[in-house]
Amino acid sequence: AQSVTQPDIHITVSEGASLELRCNYSYGATPYLFWYVQSPGQGLQLLLKYFSGDTLVQGIKGFEAEFKRSQSSFNLRKPSVHWSDAAEYFCAASGTGGTPLVFGKGTRLSVIA
Amino acid sequence: EAQVTQNPRYLITVTGKKLTVTCSQNMNHEYMSWYRQDPGLGLRQIYYSMNVEVTDKGDVPEGYKVSRKEKRNFPLILESPSPNQTSLYFCASKSGGRGNEQFFGPGTRLTVL
Repeated sequence: AQSVTQPDIHITVSEGASLELRCNYSYGATPYLFWYVQSPGQGLQLLLKYFSGDTLVQGIKGFEAEFKRSQSSFNLRKPSVHWSDAAEYFCAASGTGGTPLVFGKGTRLSVIA
Repeated sequence: EAQVTQNPRYLITVTGKKLTVTCSQNMNHEYMSWYRQDPGLGLRQIYYSMNVEVTDKGDVPEGYKVSRKEKRNFPLILESPSPNQTSLYFCASKSGGRGNEQFFGPGTRLTVL
């Protein structure tokens, strides 16, 4: 079955430190991949997406993600975290046939001073 | 402004009292979807619609109904709500192209007593 796994439920980083959030997918073929962010009490906002081509994808708010086919991964990174990045982050995937979006269970990011 | 709207944003009701959560988008999107978000479970799809009069079950459709009589609207109906339907609900829409970004509404927090 198609699935998306985010192994880390909660991560705490210091402000200014680098960040990497992990995401693994299980699909028959390479899916379309997405990262969304949900700030407290808010809806979901798209950070970036990968369809094909360059495996390093740039997104909004200084985030980037790298697609690694050999590892079935699509990890999200940011070189320097700001306190405003504290939120919940969701990795999602959909099949290239237009199948519905499947979400991971999310990683909650806390940022400490 | 391009957006997905949901009403109500907050609702407290009692077991068995029928309710409808409305969803409307102004982007002329073909695809619309409903999700529920529960702690530790991420977002799970309830129903989706590929176009007018075309709906299909997602991962957790039990206890819910939807309709798609117009392109812009996709209401979620709970005929006889139960406490296990207490959740945060999100409506989303996207254009029909494969892999296109889904735009999410602000969410509806439902409590069933």
